[in-house]
Amino acid sequence: AQSVTQLGSHVSVSEGALVLLRCNYSSSVPPYLFWYVQYPNQGLQLLLKYTSAATLVKGINGFEAEFKKSETSFHLTKPSAHMSDAAEYFCAGRRGGSQGNLIFGKGTKLSVKP
Amino acid sequence: KAGVTQTPRYLIKTRGQQVTLSCSPISGHRSVSWYQQTPGQGLQFLFEYFSETQRNKGNFPGRFSGRQFSNSRSEMNVSTLELGDSALYLCASSLGPGQGPEGTEAFFGQGTRLTVV
Repeated sequence: AQSVTQLGSHVSVSEGALVLLRCNYSSSVPPYLFWYVQYPNQGLQLLLKYTSAATLVKGINGFEAEFKKSETSFHLTKPSAHMSDAAEYFCAGRRGGSQGNLIFGKGTKLSVKP
Repeated sequence: KAGVTQTPRYLIKTRGQQVTLSCSPISGHRSVSWYQQTPGQGLQFLFEYFSETQRNKGNFPGRFSGRQFSNSRSEMNVSTLELGDSALYLCASSLGPGQGPEGTEAFFGQGTRLTVV
């Protein structure tokens, strides 16, 4: 069965520091993977997606993620954190192929210190 | 292009009542999915509709139901509300099957915050 695991429920970085949010997936089929961001009392905003076209995926707001099949990972990074990046981030995969329902990780809350 | 619209944004209901939530997808999107978000369980899939047909269903009791109209708008209904139904209910729209990689993207609305007292 497909599952998505996010390591670390809370990550704190200083403004200007590297952001690294970890996501691992388990699946027996090629994955469709996504990162979403959620600000308080808001819905989910799509940051980026992996659909097997390229292993390094660039998204909005300077975020990118690298798909590593050997490590079953899809970690999210940003070279320099900004105060406005403080939010909760969710990694998600589609169950059973491109049109399956989304399965979400538990989320990682990112804090950015001035 | 307008995004996904969910109404109402906030609801307070009493235990035992029923509630209907509405979702208008992005124009041209034919697939609508519903998710429940709670602090304890995180984001959980409720059901998905495509072309007025339920394509997929999560592991929720029969009190949770939904439907989709010919214009792709969707509603979900929860009957006999329980305190544990208090949650943020999120609707997501996507193009639907057969649309290539873009069809896999799901765009979410702002959600409806349901509080059961």
